[in-house]
Amino acid sequence: DVKVTQSSRYLVKRTGEKVFLECVQDMDHENMFWYRQDPGLGLRLIYFSYDVKMKEKGDIPEGYSVSREKKERFSLILESASTNQTSMYLCASRAGGVKGYTFGSGTRLTVV
Amino acid sequence: AQSVAQPEDQVNVAEGNPLTVKCTYSVSGNPYLFWYVQYPNRGLQFLLKYITGDNLVKGSYGFEAEFNKSQTSFHLKKPSALVSDSALYFCAEGAGNMLTFGGGTRLMVKP
Repeated sequence: DVKVTQSSRYLVKRTGEKVFLECVQDMDHENMFWYRQDPGLGLRLIYFSYDVKMKEKGDIPEGYSVSREKKERFSLILESASTNQTSMYLCASRAGGVKGYTFGSGTRLTVV
Repeated sequence: AQSVAQPEDQVNVAEGNPLTVKCTYSVSGNPYLFWYVQYPNRGLQFLLKYITGDNLVKGSYGFEAEFNKSQTSFHLKKPSALVSDSALYFCAEGAGNMLTFGGGTRLMVKP
């Protein structure tokens, strides 16, 4: 089975810190995604990548950046964390076509 | 434009009763449809999918979904609900690189 691993389940950071959320998948998927999930707002796409070094903005990219130096790893970066970035962050990967997403377990980030 | 709608924020059922979680889609051509479940503080888990073929799709944990092209729906069903089915359910559509998700439906199964 495909595994998507997010490095932290729970994270507490201070306002203004630079935060790295790491995501690694082990099945050679081209496509990787970062979402944030907030109550009542569903899943909102932050960034996605369809190949190494390629990235595309999603619906809410402000305040975030991403890095994909290797196919298996897709990092989400909060340049200067703010309290409104307190959320559940979900990483997913997809081979494309008839396959759906495989999600990581999520990282619940609290910015204080 | 593609979209997926889940018209109910929450569905309440009694344990042992049948459950339905609704999903409608709007996409031209043949849709690829998915259902995911999310338990508290977890990522989403794949339940089932419809790509082509039989309109009734069976998935994990006794769930099934019925694809109805004329009504553009893909409702999730289970004949007998369990308390442990209580979770957040997401419908999604997409054949390319990306899935479009519905807003989610919280299922509450009461003992």
